[in-house]
Order: sequence, then structure tokens, then C-alpha cells
Amino acid sequence: KAGVTQTPRYLIKTRGQQVTLSCSPISGHRSVSWYQQTPGQGLQFLFEYFSETQRNKGNFPGRFSGRQFSNSRSEMNVSTLELGDSALYLCASSLWPQGANEQYFGPGTRLTVT
Amino acid sequence: GNSVTQMEGPVTLSEEAFLTINCTYTATGYPSLFWYVQYPGEGLQLLLKATKADDKGSNKGFEATYRKETTSFHLEKGSVQVSDSAVYFCALSEGSGGGADGLTFGKGTHLIIQP
Repeated sequence: KAGVTQTPRYLIKTRGQQVTLSCSPISGHRSVSWYQQTPGQGLQFLFEYFSETQRNKGNFPGRFSGRQFSNSRSEMNVSTLELGDSALYLCASSLWPQGANEQYFGPGTRLTVT
Repeated sequence: GNSVTQMEGPVTLSEEAFLTINCTYTATGYPSLFWYVQYPGEGLQLLLKATKADDKGSNKGFEATYRKETTSFHLEKGSVQVSDSAVYFCALSEGSGGGADGLTFGKGTHLIIQP
């Protein structure tokens, strides 16, 4: 079974631009979560989607948004990029509500904002 | 709120040494606990999990026991290899009625194994 895939793997953007990242979950997984990883703040939860609905959200500004499609694929968008948005963005899928919410991660998208 | 505390390292050991990485947590309810590993340039891989008190998770020679009385989930391995060099993250998930909770992670422990 294929793992979680994320595209693109690397991205360079300029301050003020917007960006869209894509995630395809493991087949059969309907819950998709997004995380931001930075050296200073570590791993922080952005939001989680299940059945095309955002169920939980972390403490991030409204510039960070996402959506989920009927095939469980998900996208996240960051508008008006800031230098501090440079990070590794990780997508994870799980079988929630089955199981213990063990999440399976993709390789991430490395975003650099200049 | 929930939190996870772990030693950040780097932790440097010789091959075949015994490994312990401490992890303690704070949670309002009864969380599930996880250890993830991240190799350079990659995403996180689930290493092991435990869902209730006294559960022992194990995988690839690594073990961790869910200790509710000490709110701990320490990772151990009897004999480490160079290939175990990576960053290890302790995490918890606390269920709620709204949806799958985001995982709360520790800061990560950088493990370096020298031949």
C-alpha cells in the first residue's frame, strides 16, 4: 500500500506571495492532519480534516487554511507569506475514528520564503 | 493544555550501548502515547505506540511502557546500531468528540551512534 505523498517536495516563494501544498493520504484513511516543523518551535499542529470538514485547528493565524476533497486528498494554503513561514510542512493521515489516532506522515514539503 | 517533555540532546552513544530517552507528559485526560523517528531529509515514521496504562509498545528492538503513575513513556533499546542515528519524538494524542486530535510532540532527541 502506498504511503502518504506530498507535492511539491521543495518550494521557494517570495514574501507576500501565496502557496498551495498538496497531500494524498494512505488509501482508506479519511483523516488528514497538517503540521509545521521549524528548528525553533518544533512540530506544531495546524489543522485536521475528516470527511471534507475541518474538525480541529491549532493556534495559527487565518493566513493558514486548508481543505479536503471527497477522495480524502487535502490541500493547505498560506497567503501573504512571511519569512517566518519558512518550514517543513508535514501531512499525516490516520484511520481515525478507528484505532488510537496513530498518524502516518508524508516526506514533507520544504518551503523557503525569501 | 497538553505537553510533552523529552531530553533534546544530542545524545551520543557507542554502538551496542544501552539507550534510554526519557519522556514525560501532561494531559487532562487519558492519552495515547507514541514514539516517532525522523531520519535526515525525511518525514516522521511511527516507531511504537501504547494506548493504556502498563501497555508496552515495541518495534525493531525499541520498547516503551506507558506509566500512568509517573506520566512517563521512556524509550529503551538494549543494543543500538549506527543505523539508529536519527531524531526521536515522543508524542501524545488525547481523544475528543470533535475529531482526531492533533498530536502534541516533544522537542525531539537527536541520537548519534558512533561505531
